[in-house]
Amino acid sequence: KQEVTQIPAALSVPEGENLVLNCSFTDSAIYNLQWFRQDPGKGLTSLLLIQSSQREQTSGRLNASLDKSSGRSTLYIAASQPGDSATYLCAVTGVGGNNRLAFGKGNQVVVIP
Amino acid sequence: GAVVSQHPSRVICKSGTSVKIECRSLDFQATTMFWYRQFPKQSLMLMATSNEGSKATYEQGVEKDKFLINHASLTLSTLTVASAHPEDSSFYICSARDATNEKLFFGSGTQLSVL
Repeated sequence: KQEVTQIPAALSVPEGENLVLNCSFTDSAIYNLQWFRQDPGKGLTSLLLIQSSQREQTSGRLNASLDKSSGRSTLYIAASQPGDSATYLCAVTGVGGNNRLAFGKGNQVVVIP
Repeated sequence: GAVVSQHPSRVICKSGTSVKIECRSLDFQATTMFWYRQFPKQSLMLMATSNEGSKATYEQGVEKDKFLINHASLTLSTLTVASAHPEDSSFYICSARDATNEKLFFGSGTQLSVL
């Protein structure tokens, strides 16, 4: 069974600092990995999707890397802003018949103005 | 970007009432939709996977007679919580997989409170 762990569970950073969020997974046989953002009481917004054959994806201030063999992904958010305060969730999709999504518990981020 | 519409956003009902939640993909076709449940400060837990035109696949421990899922078209899936009880109170989220690019898009969630 796929286990997804996100560290740290919560962090606060001053505005302008770079954010580094870590995600690890136990089964490297994945189809893809996705990072989401969740605001309190809201659904999820997809940020970046990395296919298993890719090493990273970038969108604006966001960059996500994937090291499938070691079961790790890192989400970098450059020059953080108060609007980046949210919970960030990492999720992996299994392969073949195991195409379910397994989520981590999230990194709760607070950017202090 | 792709949009998934989930309604209602909030439901407060009496114990014993059945509640239906709708999930629609507005600008793409979703052959697969997923239903999740989330408790406060916990991660999403997959309840079931629904494929258009076939029966949903439920995760272990999820009662299929309690949580009825219908995926009648490529753009609509519904979750009905039958005879809801206070322990069913939770945040329910649906997601739809875009068949063209495999990306998942999520609804905004439904907060169910059963009194």
